Amino acid sequence: EVQLVQSGAEVKKPGESLKISCKGSGYSFTSYWIGWVRQMPGKGLEWMGIIYPGDSDTRYSPSFQGQVTISADKSISTAYLQWSSLKASDTAMYYCARTTVVAATGWFDPWGQGTLVTVSS
Amino acid sequence: DIQMTQSPSTLSASVGDRVTITCRASQSISSWLAWYQQKPGKAPKLLIYKASSLESGVPSRFSGSGSGTEFTLTISSLQPDDFATYYCQQYNSYSPGFTFGPGTKVDIK
Repeated sequence: EVQLVQSGAEVKKPGESLKISCKGSGYSFTSYWIGWVRQMPGKGLEWMGIIYPGDSDTRYSPSFQGQVTISADKSISTAYLQWSSLKASDTAMYYCARTTVVAATGWFDPWGQGTLVTVSS
Repeated sequence: DIQMTQSPSTLSASVGDRVTITCRASQSISSWLAWYQQKPGKAPKLLIYKASSLESGVPSRFSGSGSGTEFTLTISSLQPDDFATYYCQQYNSYSPGFTFGPGTKVDIK
């Protein structure tokens, strides 16, 4: 079974750093992109970026470029999303998803269970 | 950038109803569209990819159609498990990549 398991909920203060994780299993981790998606409370889905663990090729949404860093450690089939200085506006649920990119199309399947990040003083 | 819109934003329906959700792209995206279902407190689930391909395990009452700039997700006979929010999503290989529609909430009439 293809599965993505994310790290647990986090409560942080503004200005703190954070790295959350997403571990893949049941498939060749280096052969698919991994995407990150943000969902702010009561809002829709926003694509943040993708990484190809095979060669660490990374693409960011312009909205998130410079705000977060996406990385991966293929030796442990794990992708990461990190912040160097959190803001209250980073409070959201963050999902990782295996990302299929075929020619001019792409989609997310399956998804991790989500990691809730709360930033509050 | 390609913008995605969905209509309606909220839809009230009854069990057994035929439900249609529309997604429009600001420019042609061929058939490169996916649909997701999200229930409260849960991760999204892929239903349809490449506009009309049904993901394995998804009930056949779900179908997708369209190409170019206008797409539809149809639920042929709404079931209690289908009350959820539905999102469309496009992928642009140039920039900025992936874009989701704003979502359509299907609730009980």
